[in-house]
Amino acid sequence: AQSVTQLGSHVSVSEGALVLLRCNYSSSVPPYLFWYVQYPNQGLQLLLKYTSAATLVKGINGFEAEFKKSETSFHLTKPSAHMSDAAEYFCAVSGTGGGNKLTFGTGTQLKVEL
Amino acid sequence: SQTIHQWPATLVQPVGSPLSLECTVEGTSNPNLYWYRQAAGRGLQLLFYSVGIGQISSEVPQNLSASRPQDRQFILSSKKLLLSDSGFYLCAWSPGTGGRSYTFGSGTRLTVV
Repeated sequence: AQSVTQLGSHVSVSEGALVLLRCNYSSSVPPYLFWYVQYPNQGLQLLLKYTSAATLVKGINGFEAEFKKSETSFHLTKPSAHMSDAAEYFCAVSGTGGGNKLTFGTGTQLKVEL
Repeated sequence: SQTIHQWPATLVQPVGSPLSLECTVEGTSNPNLYWYRQAAGRGLQLLFYSVGIGQISSEVPQNLSASRPQDRQFILSSKKLLLSDSGFYLCAWSPGTGGRSYTFGSGTRLTVV
């Protein structure tokens, strides 16, 4: 079975500071990996996805993530946090069985302070 | 373009009452469809998924059921709600062939009282 672990359920940064949200995956096959963002009482929006084409993936809103097979990691970063980045972020990995099932981490709540 | 509609946005139901949440997708055919439940601090739990009309796979035993009467319609139901059914329910779709990104609906906040 595939799984992801998000380290830190809450992360707080100052506006303009680096954002780093951690995600480690477990997979017996080359994975597809995703980062989603959720604003309060809304659905999830895709930030970026890794599909083995390139290890550094750029997404929307200035976010990017690097796939590191040796570390089984797919951490999400943004050079400079903005107040509008405050939200919950989910890492996910695709399954190997039928139905294209995604397994999500437990999420990281990002708080951006002035 | 493809869109996904989920309703209602909020719902307050008494214990023991029935439930029906509906999700429809437009602009695509033969999508994979999913129901997730989100509880605070527990991430998203996959409840059901469907790869075609009438094909439902259940991921966890529970008080809920799902149906797919049409290609782009996915319904989540319960005959008798429990307090533990409270949560935020999300519908999602992905392409049936290739591509693995999900597109999510806006969610339904269900409170069982």
